[in-house]
Amino acid sequence: DGGITQSPKYLFRKEGQNVTLSCEQNLNHDAMYWYRQDPGQGLRLIYYSQIVNDFQKGDIAEGYSVSREKKESFPLTVTSAQKNPTAFYLCASSAIRDSWGAVSPLHFGNGTRLTVT
Amino acid sequence: GESVGLHLPTLSVQEGDNSIINCAYSNSASDYFIWYKQESGKGPQFIIDIRSNMDKRQGQRVTVLLNKTVKHLSLQIAATQPGDSAVYFCAEKDMRFGAGTRLTVKP
Repeated sequence: DGGITQSPKYLFRKEGQNVTLSCEQNLNHDAMYWYRQDPGQGLRLIYYSQIVNDFQKGDIAEGYSVSREKKESFPLTVTSAQKNPTAFYLCASSAIRDSWGAVSPLHFGNGTRLTVT
Repeated sequence: GESVGLHLPTLSVQEGDNSIINCAYSNSASDYFIWYKQESGKGPQFIIDIRSNMDKRQGQRVTVLLNKTVKHLSLQIAATQPGDSAVYFCAEKDMRFGAGTRLTVKP
């Protein structure tokens, strides 16, 4: 079955520590995305990548970093510079994207809930 | 920047009734729109999409209407079932999402 795997489902960290969230896809999609969702809120775009070794900042990239060394993988690091890191993080991919955005639907993983205390 | 928003944060309907969820967008150049359904604790799932060269698209029990003149989208769910209870998001091509509408179906 093709899909997106995010791990772990729940993650707990102490304030001041960096933490990396995993996202792997076996859909052969070129484009991948990271979103943050706070309770009762919509999804906010953190970073996206159209192709291996390339990525772009979204609306709330401060305090986050990403890498795209392989087509299948797009890990997100939440750094200690992120002031409010506790949230639900969603990774997605899409088959096709042009310069202006996706032209096919996003496929989402089931998220990682990060709690920082 | 451009944004996609929703008219109502919550919608409650009786089982068997039709549901209509609305969405406004601000970028008149947008040419691709998608509706997603998100159940509690899960990632959003694709429901239906529409391109700007169409006014209406139908799926199984769902219909999306696009009014480019007033920059408005709607998602219609026929014969709403308890399993339809979820948060519904619209998104446009740049993959920005609105806050969502929480649909509750009363038995």
